[in-house]
Order: sequence, then structure tokens, then C-alpha cells
Amino acid sequence: GDSVTQMEGPVTLSEEAFLTINCTYTATGYPSLFWYVQYPGEGLQLLLKATKADDKGSNKGFEATYRKETTSFHLEKGSVQVSDSAVYFCARYQIQGAQKLVFGQGTRLTINP
Amino acid sequence: DTGVSQDPRHKITKRGQNVTFRCDPISEHNRLYWYRQTLGQGPEFLTYFQNEAQLEKSRLLSDRFSAERPKGSFSTLEIQRTEQGDSAMYLCASSRGSVGKNTEAFFGQGTRLTVV
Repeated sequence: GDSVTQMEGPVTLSEEAFLTINCTYTATGYPSLFWYVQYPGEGLQLLLKATKADDKGSNKGFEATYRKETTSFHLEKGSVQVSDSAVYFCARYQIQGAQKLVFGQGTRLTINP
Repeated sequence: DTGVSQDPRHKITKRGQNVTFRCDPISEHNRLYWYRQTLGQGPEFLTYFQNEAQLEKSRLLSDRFSAERPKGSFSTLEIQRTEQGDSAMYLCASSRGSVGKNTEAFFGQGTRLTVV
């Protein structure tokens, strides 16, 4: 079935380091793609999204580009901060067929000062 | 817009007992979703409603699970004869129509269930 695969965590970086969290998906058709973030003690929040191939989603310094040829939606940030410490989830949503968000397993990110 | 609220936030129950969770979506959101999240995993889809109609159920939703959304507003998720494997965070989300370019799903903070 349709799925989303994220790079395994946890990921620990120093402040101001470059971040990449890999995400690939299997799909029939052209799903919308999302990154959600879950800060400690809080609910899931939408970080960014892209709804068609070559779209780039961006928010709070994070970016991800919808790559249809590699079925990927990797999350990047040029300079991470301690406040970025959270769990990040990649997800897909497809209008045709089963209309639901399908999530990856999550990547826990810890940023040390 | 007060966001998606879930009640209770935490529930501890003995194995074999029944539990019921409530979700209040953002007003005027016609879609409501239930997910389950276990430790170290991403949320797994359980079921969703469009207005009061339950349109899809996951295979994860055994016959011990039932969800309702009377009148298309709040929703309840009931688990009968709880088992230790039911221990998880139960998440509710709502959206105005299909999630996509102009619509996002908003999540509640979840109900953490512990079955002892």
C-alpha cells in the first residue's frame, strides 16, 4: 500500500548546523506532501506543504521540494536552533481513493547549544 | 477559532474496561479524523467522518472500537474490553474538506491511554 519512509533517528546536531531529514514516499497518482512538527507536550502542527511536483514548501527557515522523479520530500534547514528540537513527521495525502494523511515514523531532532 | 480539543488528556484504565474519548473539532470543519500513535511511531489512521457519515475505517479498527459523530459536530471513540496493546496516544484532527493546497488538517493534543 501507499507509505512514507523517513530517515531513522534520533538526530543530534549542534546549533547553527545544516539539517536534512530524508523522506520518500510510494504513491499512485500525485499526492500532496507535508511536514508536521511535534514540540514536546504539544500536538502536531503543520510545518510546510507542497501539492504538486517541483513545488517548494517553506516555513520558519525550513524548506522541502516535491521531487516526483525520486519520490522524495526531504526537509532542510540551513542553520538550526535549539528551539527546533522536536519530532518531525513526513506525510502524504491523496484525494483519489483513501482520503487520509499517511505518516512516516517520525524523526526526533535534538539541537545542542 | 479555538482549535481541536480532546478530552480527557490522559486516561488510565484496567484491562477489560471500556473507555470513551471525545473530540471537538474546529467549528464548521466537516471532516474529522481519528489516529493512533504508539511510542516512536507516526500516527496511524483509524477512521474519518465527513459530517456525520463515517466514510472509511482502517483494518486497525477492530470490532472493539467504535466511533460516532452524531449531528456532524463532536465525535466519540469508544474502546470496549480494553487490552494492553490499546495503550497509545489517540489523536483527533479536523479539516474543512479534503486536505490540499488551501486546506490543512488541524490536530488536537491527543488522549493518552494507558491500559494496566
